[in-house]
This record gives sequence, C-alpha cells and structure tokens, in this order.
Amino acid sequence: DIVMTQTPLSLPVTPGEPASISCRSSQSLFDSDDGNTYLDWYLQKPGQSPQLLIYRLSFRASGVPDRFSGSGSGTDFTLKISRVEAEDVGVYYCEQRLEFPFTFGPGTKVEIK
Amino acid sequence: QVQLVESGGGGVQPGRSLRLSCEASGFIFGDYGMHWVRQAPGKGLEWLAVIWYDGTNEYYRDSVRGRFTISRDNSKNTLFLQMNSLRAEDTAVYYCARENITSGSADHWGQGTLVAVSS
Repeated sequence: DIVMTQTPLSLPVTPGEPASISCRSSQSLFDSDDGNTYLDWYLQKPGQSPQLLIYRLSFRASGVPDRFSGSGSGTDFTLKISRVEAEDVGVYYCEQRLEFPFTFGPGTKVEIK
Repeated sequence: QVQLVESGGGGVQPGRSLRLSCEASGFIFGDYGMHWVRQAPGKGLEWLAVIWYDGTNEYYRDSVRGRFTISRDNSKNTLFLQMNSLRAEDTAVYYCARENITSGSADHWGQGTLVAVSS
C-alpha cells in the first residue's frame, strides 16, 4: 500500500496569515500514462463530513475559494492557504488515488491561535 | 442538490453482521462510481471499498476483503455495504462518497452512520 505522511500534525494559525501543510507519499503519484498526479486534499470541519478541496494535485474543487492552492510533484506535495480565515479550521487530509487501496494521510489539525 | 444519506448503523456484537445503506438523490446515481470510507472515533479517514458505476467491478482494502461486500441497486439509487464477522476495530463512522466522473475524486459525502462493535 502507498503510505501517506503529513507535517505538521497540528498547525496553529493566525487569521489573515498564510499557512502551509506538507504531504509525502511512499511512491510517486504521477501517472505517466495520462500525465496526472493523483493527489487530493480534503478538509473535515468540526462535526462535519469531509469535503473535497483540491483534486489531481492542483485543481480546486467546485466552490473552493482561491485562497487554497495545491502544488508539488512526485512524492512531495503542499497545500497552501494564502490568508487563513476562521472558517478554515478543521483537519486537512491528503489522499492518494493512484492505486487501490486509496490511502489518506494522518491529517493535520488547523486551529486558530 | 446532491444528497447521500447513510443508514443501518448501530450497536452490534463481535462476529455479527450489519448492512449499511446509502440512499442517493439529486444526480443520476447509475452514472457514478461509489465508495465507502470510515473513521474510527478520534482517528483519521480510512478508505474501504469502491464499486463501479454499473456494479461490474469492486475493490477492497485488505482488512475488510472477504468480510465486507459493496453492492448497489441502481434502480433504487442505493449503495450498500454488507459487513460480516464484525470486530471491535470495525467501530467507526461509515461514510459513503460519490466519485466525480471527471476528477475521480470523492466530491460528495454523506453525513455518516456510526457502527459500534462491542460485547
């Protein structure tokens, strides 16, 4: 199975300031057949179900504010929030969808300082 | 709007069975692959299984293969997860999720149903 790791596991943030979460996979998530990198980001707000933020490395899901961006390549990925808002608190998960079983990172808990 | 509503969770003894359902609305259910994902209390997300839009293919994670079966009834817009030989470590909130046709990602999730396995 592809192992996903995230750092940090806890991230205190200040509203208006940028924030960044790193994710690493145990093998490349780049599919040379189609040129896509199968790395997604999800946010689970307190008491809610997960919601899709970013798919295939860098594409924002429908309705996701443009302060969220995804980048990286191969095995190293980053989710950036350009200016954190109070509503961004929750647990962020990266997930690989290159091969079964799909696997998630352990999650990064973002909270306001 | 897209809605996914899970049901069928509850308390069950180890070794027993439970069948979860996920009723879909607001989209053409038969056009989409569907997944089950679970979350143990206070823990992260764990992908369990996927079924193709037409039910012709399924994949499972090792820890549930042979015990859990994903299925669907496209005429009733419903996804199922049959769980047999339940163990304490299966205790979790179980979510169904729709696979986006374009991105392949889980673009809509249900609210989840809690399964508690305990003697």
